[in-house]
Amino acid sequence: AQSVTQPDIHITVSEGASLELRCNYSYGATPYLFWYVQSPGQGLQLLLKYFSGDTLVQGIKGFEAEFKRSQSSFNLRKPSVHWSDAAEYFCAVGAREYGNKLVFGAGTILRVKS
Amino acid sequence: NAGVTQTPKFQVLKTGQSMTLQCAQDMNHEYMSWYRQDPGMGLRLIHYSVGAGITDQGEVPNGYNVSRSTTEDFPLRLLSAAPSQTSVYFCASSTGTFGSNQPQHFGDGTRLSIL
Repeated sequence: AQSVTQPDIHITVSEGASLELRCNYSYGATPYLFWYVQSPGQGLQLLLKYFSGDTLVQGIKGFEAEFKRSQSSFNLRKPSVHWSDAAEYFCAVGAREYGNKLVFGAGTILRVKS
Repeated sequence: NAGVTQTPKFQVLKTGQSMTLQCAQDMNHEYMSWYRQDPGMGLRLIHYSVGAGITDQGEVPNGYNVSRSTTEDFPLRLLSAAPSQTSVYFCASSTGTFGSNQPQHFGDGTRLSIL
């Protein structure tokens, strides 16, 4: 069965520092990959997605992610974190071969210290 | 531009009570789904629908019913609420299947407590 792992439950970074959130997936086929962000009390907002082509994808709010097939990873990065980036981030994976199912990781809570 | 609207935003129930969580979207999306979010577990799919009149079970369907009589609405029913159903519930919609490259649009959630 497909699975998504976000190894870090919490991450704390200083404002202005760089950020990398990890996501690893287990799929037997080419996946479609997403990163969502959730601010407290809000729904999920799509940051970026990958389904084919260039393995480095750009998203909103200055985020980017790189798909590495050999490592089954889709890590999210940002060069300089802002205090407003504090939120919970979810990696999600889908694949046509697994039907209408989107699998989410457990999430990573980002704290930004000033 | 409403997007996905969920009502109510908060609800407290007693064990054994029934209720319906409402979800409506105005984007003419064929695909709609319900998730529950619990701490440390991410989002888990409860039920989904690929169009009016068509529904199917997700990862955690027990204790929940759904129906899809129109494209716009996808209500989630709890038949006999249990404390284990205390959670935050999210409705989502998209133009494509969940196993596709189309992202899902989420509502703001319904926070449900079962006493």
